[in-house]
Amino acid sequence: NAGVMQNPRHLVRRRGQEARLRCSPMKGHSHVYWYRQLPEEGLKFMVYLQKENIIDESGMPKERFSAEFPKEGPSILRIQQVVRGDSAAYFCASSPLPGQGGINEKLFFGSGTQLSVL
Amino acid sequence: AQSVTQLGSHVSVSEGALVLLRCNYSSSVPPYLFWYVQYPNQGLQLLLKYTTGATLVKGINGFEAEFKKSETSFHLTKPSAHMSDAAEYFCAVSASGTYKYIFGTGTRLKVLA
Repeated sequence: NAGVMQNPRHLVRRRGQEARLRCSPMKGHSHVYWYRQLPEEGLKFMVYLQKENIIDESGMPKERFSAEFPKEGPSILRIQQVVRGDSAAYFCASSPLPGQGGINEKLFFGSGTQLSVL
Repeated sequence: AQSVTQLGSHVSVSEGALVLLRCNYSSSVPPYLFWYVQYPNQGLQLLLKYTTGATLVKGINGFEAEFKKSETSFHLTKPSAHMSDAAEYFCAVSASGTYKYIFGTGTRLKVLA
């Protein structure tokens, strides 16, 4: 039973290019969460998606960042016109239950994508 | 608002020695508290969590943590370290009823032979 799969593992982009990060949730999970870990900081929530719906994007930067989780295929985190400050580890998590923070809630995390902007 | 502080970004212990990883939190509402572990080239894996009830929580691989409200702490311990425990450990807090976990900066545990 494969876990949460993220690719690529490492991504290098030059300033101004676009970055696309992919996340395939665990089998049977339809709830996906993206977190970002900036250098010397803890992981921070960015966005919560269900199939074809953005449920909560309160942690997403207002510009250049977008996320989707189509009916078919992986969830995509897209960063347009990357800047050096976007360099970070981006983690995806999935859960089988709606993200309500209940006592049975459990998030399964991927191994992350390390984005480096030159 | 919630926050998490992990004291010590790197901790080294000898094999067989006690493991103690410190975590202090701040929360204006009753918190849910978590410890996650990340082994090299793997995703974060849930070690244990505290939601309500018993304050001493037992997790996988012999780890346990105690929720101390008066000290706003949730330190992770293991009586005897094993080489396979070498990994990065993250403490996280979530206000009850939300999936917006707040993570600490992580503690990298090194186990010396």
